[in-house]
Amino acid sequence: QVQIQQSGPELVKPSQTLSLACDISGDIVSDISSAWTWIRQSPSRGLEWLGRTFYRSKWHHEYAASVEGRLIIDSDTSKNRVSLQMTSVTLEDTAIYYCARERPGRGLSWYFDLWGRGTLVTVSS
Amino acid sequence: DIQLTQSPPSLSASLGDRVTISCRTSQSIRNYLNWYQQKAGEAPKLLIYAATTLQGGVPPRFSGAGSGTEFTLTISSLQPEDFATYYCQHSYDVPRTFGQGTRVDIK
Repeated sequence: QVQIQQSGPELVKPSQTLSLACDISGDIVSDISSAWTWIRQSPSRGLEWLGRTFYRSKWHHEYAASVEGRLIIDSDTSKNRVSLQMTSVTLEDTAIYYCARERPGRGLSWYFDLWGRGTLVTVSS
Repeated sequence: DIQLTQSPPSLSASLGDRVTISCRTSQSIRNYLNWYQQKAGEAPKLLIYAATTLQGGVPPRFSGAGSGTEFTLTISSLQPEDFATYYCQHSYDVPRTFGQGTRVDIK
């Protein structure tokens, strides 16, 4: 049974760096049929795709324009972990952060079939 | 970015009712459209992918239809556990985007 365990601080000060980890069991982070994604949810922005990493002969990273330059999504194959680092956080970054697995269906139709439980991150001084 | 507009934003329904939620996209996405259910305090749960394919373990009272820019999620007979918020999401390109959600509550 595949499981995602999220960890990381729930309170971050403005201008500091938010770091979250996503530990995966029952699947391999470098599996070529998976992409590992961070999504956040807030009342003001709804569900927002932040970015993803996936392995296809080499590691690839894609980010939403709204956070590009502040966000790094990385993988650690020795720990079977995906991580998120967001720099220079502001109050607007307060949200529930989810790690999710994206898998391919038919053709190009991908979907998020597995989600972590979410981490409520509050940015406050 | 592809915009997804859901309607209605919320609805009230009774047990046994047939409920239909719509999702319109700002450009054609073929059938690359997924539906999720989210209950309070939980992560979203995949219901339907590729517009019409039911995810394993999801009851057959849920169904999806559509292609191009117009999609629907239908619950044929509303059950107590179906009161939740429903989201559509596209996988046509990146960034993936979601609809703003449709909340289904008890009349």
